[in-house]
Amino acid sequence: AQSVTQLGSHVSVSEGALVLLRCNYSSSVPPYLFWYVQYPNQGLQLLLKYTSAATLVKGINGFEAEFKKSETSFHLTKPSAHMSDAAEYFCAVQGGQLTFGSGTQLTVLP
Amino acid sequence: DAGVIQSPRHEVTEMGQEVTLRCKPISGHNSLFWYRQTMMRGLELLIYFNNNVPIDDSGMPEDRFSAKMPNASFSTLKIQPSEPRDSAVYFCASSSPGQGTYEQYFGPGTRLTVT
Repeated sequence: AQSVTQLGSHVSVSEGALVLLRCNYSSSVPPYLFWYVQYPNQGLQLLLKYTSAATLVKGINGFEAEFKKSETSFHLTKPSAHMSDAAEYFCAVQGGQLTFGSGTQLTVLP
Repeated sequence: DAGVIQSPRHEVTEMGQEVTLRCKPISGHNSLFWYRQTMMRGLELLIYFNNNVPIDDSGMPEDRFSAKMPNASFSTLKIQPSEPRDSAVYFCASSSPGQGTYEQYFGPGTRLTVT
């Protein structure tokens, strides 16, 4: 069975600082991995996905994630945080259907 | 494309009443998912359909919940009778795994309040 663990339910960064949101997965087969973002009072929106092509995946809004098989990780990064990045972020692994992590709330401080 | 459409966006009802949530998936998508999101339990998969057939309803909390997909462009989630603990945001999502991509596209959600 597939699962994901998101380390840190809340992350705060200053505007302009590096954003790093952590995700570790467990999968018995090569995984498909996803990051979604949820802005207040909205549905989840796909940020990026890994489907066994390039290990460094670029997504929307300047986010990227690197698949590291040896570490079973798929951390999400952005070099410079913007106030508009404040949202909840979900990591997910494909196994029949998507299994979502518990989410990380990102706060961006001015 | 209009994306996944859900109605109503907000629903306030009294305990014991029947509630019906509606979803129109993205045209051409053959998988449809119903989720529930609460602060306490996070995002939970309730049920999903492939080609209008329910595949896994193990997430449906109890017999008060039922879901149907009469055709490829419409699905309903019904709660009868509703209870205050059903208050949550309910999301519908669709995907097209047959094309080799597995990402799900979410609707804006229905915020249900049961008083």
